[in-house]
Amino acid sequence: NAGVTQTPKFRVLKTGQSMTLLCAQDMNHEYMYWYRQDPGMGLRLIHYSVGEGTTAKGEVPDGYNVSRLKKQNFLLGLESAAPSQTSVYFCASSYSNSGGAVEYFGPGTRLTVL
Amino acid sequence: DAKTTQPPSMDCAEGRAANLPCNHSTISGNEYVYWYRQIHSQGPQYIIHGLKNNETNEMASLIITEDRKSSTLILPHATLRDTAVYYCIVRATDSWGKLQFGAGTQVVVTP
Repeated sequence: NAGVTQTPKFRVLKTGQSMTLLCAQDMNHEYMYWYRQDPGMGLRLIHYSVGEGTTAKGEVPDGYNVSRLKKQNFLLGLESAAPSQTSVYFCASSYSNSGGAVEYFGPGTRLTVL
Repeated sequence: DAKTTQPPSMDCAEGRAANLPCNHSTISGNEYVYWYRQIHSQGPQYIIHGLKNNETNEMASLIITEDRKSSTLILPHATLRDTAVYYCIVRATDSWGKLQFGAGTQVVVTP
């Protein structure tokens, strides 16, 4: 049981380049999320998904797109990277029941945009 | 979701119990108390959560006061690997994914 995995772990982009971050979970969770964390700041929700084929915007969605073609995968895309997107990106997945939701996080992707 | 107040930092000796307090005086009846931690450069890690009753798992114990206005996370035998920022979060059962991390408590476990 690997939990939540993220690919790649590190990436350096030039302004205007594009890339896709991959998140995979093997816990059969319905919900998946993408967050970003900037130095000294808390997590900010970018996009989320409540199930295969569905996505929704979070707190800071501009400049990002997502897709959830398979239940276990959640992709985050940057179409034209900007220096303001330099951050650490965390993927998470969760179940939710009457006892409250619990999010499980991946190890993060450290992205630098030059 | 209700706000929480935690001390900014605390030290703990290795092998001793670490007791982390959290105040949440405006908590509502349908809100749970959650604890997460973030070890440097790693993703946040779920520790435990509870509604009214005290809870215990393999990582920690959660003690919630009877009026639910405060709680304490207990790490029974702290190790160096427990050095991290610990976040107390209060949220309703249907607020999945909407984790509002405050400043948390920086816990340093020393040999």
